[in-house]
Amino acid sequence: NAGVTQTPKFRVLKTGQSMTLLCAQDMNHEYMYWYRQDPGMGLRLIHYSVGEGTTAKGEVPDGYNVSRLKKQNFLLGLESAAPSQTSVYFCASSSHTGNIEAFFGQGTRLTVV
Amino acid sequence: GENVEQHPSTLSVQEGDSAVIKCTYSDSASNYFPWYKQELGKGPQLIIDIRSNVGEKKDQRIAVTLNKTAKHFSLHITETQPEDSAVYFCAASIERGSYIPTFGRGTSLIVHP
Repeated sequence: NAGVTQTPKFRVLKTGQSMTLLCAQDMNHEYMYWYRQDPGMGLRLIHYSVGEGTTAKGEVPDGYNVSRLKKQNFLLGLESAAPSQTSVYFCASSSHTGNIEAFFGQGTRLTVV
Repeated sequence: GENVEQHPSTLSVQEGDSAVIKCTYSDSASNYFPWYKQELGKGPQLIIDIRSNVGEKKDQRIAVTLNKTAKHFSLHITETQPEDSAVYFCAASIERGSYIPTFGRGTSLIVHP
């Protein structure tokens, strides 16, 4: 049982480049989330999705876009990377009923130079 | 929206001592309070949670208490061991509602052998 899988695990981008982070979950969860983690700032919600085909903005959405075309996948895109987007990105998923524990991926460490 | 404050940001203890991490929340509608442990290089993982209809919950060496009136909850770790060293996050959310967890900024716990 893989749980939540993020790809890639590490990436270095030049300012202005674009990239997509992929999150895949195999637990049939309705909810999926993208967080960024910065020193002293904890986990800040970028975007989230409550179901296939739906997305919503979180606390820090600027500079990011997301898509949820399939229930098991949640993509995070950076159209024009900036050094301020250097961070560790975590994807998570959860059920909306019963056990609502959030399951996290291993993280993607992104450096923008 | 919900605001979760977590203290202290860093906690250093000797092996065998107890450790206490405290969180406060702002939204009185929040009714689900999970705690996550993040080991170095990994994603956060749920260690214990509490719902608003319970004042205290215990699981071996860890316990969580909740004071709904004061809107604060705490994590207690007894007989700390070096493997307890990690970053701990509290969170608050509304179960059976729009379950989007809001996280505290994290506490780095260091247990000295």
